[in-house]
Amino acid sequence: DVKVTQSSRYLVKRTGEKVFLECVQDMDHENMFWYRQDPGLGLRLIYFSYDVKMKEKGDIPEGYSVSREKKERFSLILESASTNQTSMYLCASSPGQGMGGYTFGSGTRLTVV
Amino acid sequence: AQTVTQSQPEMSVQEAETVTLSCTYDTSENNYYLFWYKQPPSRQMILVIRQEAYKQQNATENRFSVNFQKAAKSFSLKISDSQLGDTAMYFCAFMNRNQGGKLIFGQGTELSVKP
Repeated sequence: DVKVTQSSRYLVKRTGEKVFLECVQDMDHENMFWYRQDPGLGLRLIYFSYDVKMKEKGDIPEGYSVSREKKERFSLILESASTNQTSMYLCASSPGQGMGGYTFGSGTRLTVV
Repeated sequence: AQTVTQSQPEMSVQEAETVTLSCTYDTSENNYYLFWYKQPPSRQMILVIRQEAYKQQNATENRFSVNFQKAAKSFSLKISDSQLGDTAMYFCAFMNRNQGGKLIFGQGTELSVKP
């Protein structure tokens, strides 16, 4: 069964910490995405990548960075976590142009205290 | 910029009844896809149905069907014979084919199916 795996389901971090959220897919997909999900706001795109070592800013990149050193792994980095980054983070991957064929991870619920 | 709006934060329906979830979108593009995704309490997002903008025929997947009104930029989801397992958050999403594989999501509608 193909899947997108997010390393943590729940995470609690302190303000100012550097936080790494890891995402790994086993489908050889070219595209990978990081979304943030908040009540009443839906999913908002943080960063995405169409290829190894390539990244593009989404709609809300401030306070985040990403790394894609290998095709199967896409990491989201919070350089200095803040309380307003408390949220659900969803990783997804898709092949080529995607056409909606996203496969999502199960999400990481991050709480910054 | 494209936007997607779901104006119903919450809805409920009795088991075996039919419910319609609304979605409107704004775009100046002609080449795009529209989607409905389901997110049950397990948090795993699942693709429910997909509509290609150039196809006039409404997409159907078993009990799920859409009413795609391109001129009105409306894309509603109808769930027939609702089941308890349909209880979930539903997201409408838009993809501009000329901008790669990025999905733009609406705010979501939380659907409760009551026994």
